[in-house]
Amino acid sequence: VRVIQSGAEMKKPGTSVKISCQVSGYTFTKYYIHWIQQAPGKGLEWVGLVDPENGDTMYADKFQGRAAISADTSVATSFLELRGLKSDDTAVYYCTVELSWWGQGTLVTVSS
Amino acid sequence: DIVLTQSPLSLSVTPEQPASISCKSSEHLLHTDGKTYLYWLLQKPGQPPQLLIHEVSNRFSGVPDRFSGSGSGTDFALQISRVEAEDVGVYYCMQTVGPLTFGGGTRLEIK
Repeated sequence: VRVIQSGAEMKKPGTSVKISCQVSGYTFTKYYIHWIQQAPGKGLEWVGLVDPENGDTMYADKFQGRAAISADTSVATSFLELRGLKSDDTAVYYCTVELSWWGQGTLVTVSS
Repeated sequence: DIVLTQSPLSLSVTPEQPASISCKSSEHLLHTDGKTYLYWLLQKPGQPPQLLIHEVSNRFSGVPDRFSGSGSGTDFALQISRVEAEDVGVYYCMQTVGPLTFGGGTRLEIK
């Protein structure tokens, strides 16, 4: 299983960011894909998940309404969109397949 | 949400000595399907986390057998039988019975 994430992003407060996670090496619809946030020097925090088979999603309360996770089966890719960015959204965001295989992370920096 | 409390916050271990990390849950982690969804991850410096143990005691593919997990209910532990230099990093427990949550992490360093 390979998990390849998109590159670093720098955004201004109040804007949105959409990052991606392309997977290979297995049937895309077989496993959930989770997104995890890690602020600088901090621990891990769950953002949410998508079931690629039907597009169903679940979110942590903290991100409900501001995060949107999706999956495109045609390109075996999951997306995380975060809206209304704030400075404390600055973090590395990891994509993980079934919590077993992890991407390298995408750094999102929010700064004016 | 379920709170996972790890201890110690950090530990310094001589190579080839054992190490143990505790993870206590605010609620029982036994799911109605009979499985206990408690995991252990290791985040080595500058790397993404990697899965070590799933469902309390099952080593993930490629994980050395010096790593073992145990526990039930609300009390769990990760044991390393003989620490090696490559084991340095932050260890996290994680549960998926309720909304996914992580423990605060335990930093392991080599003496």
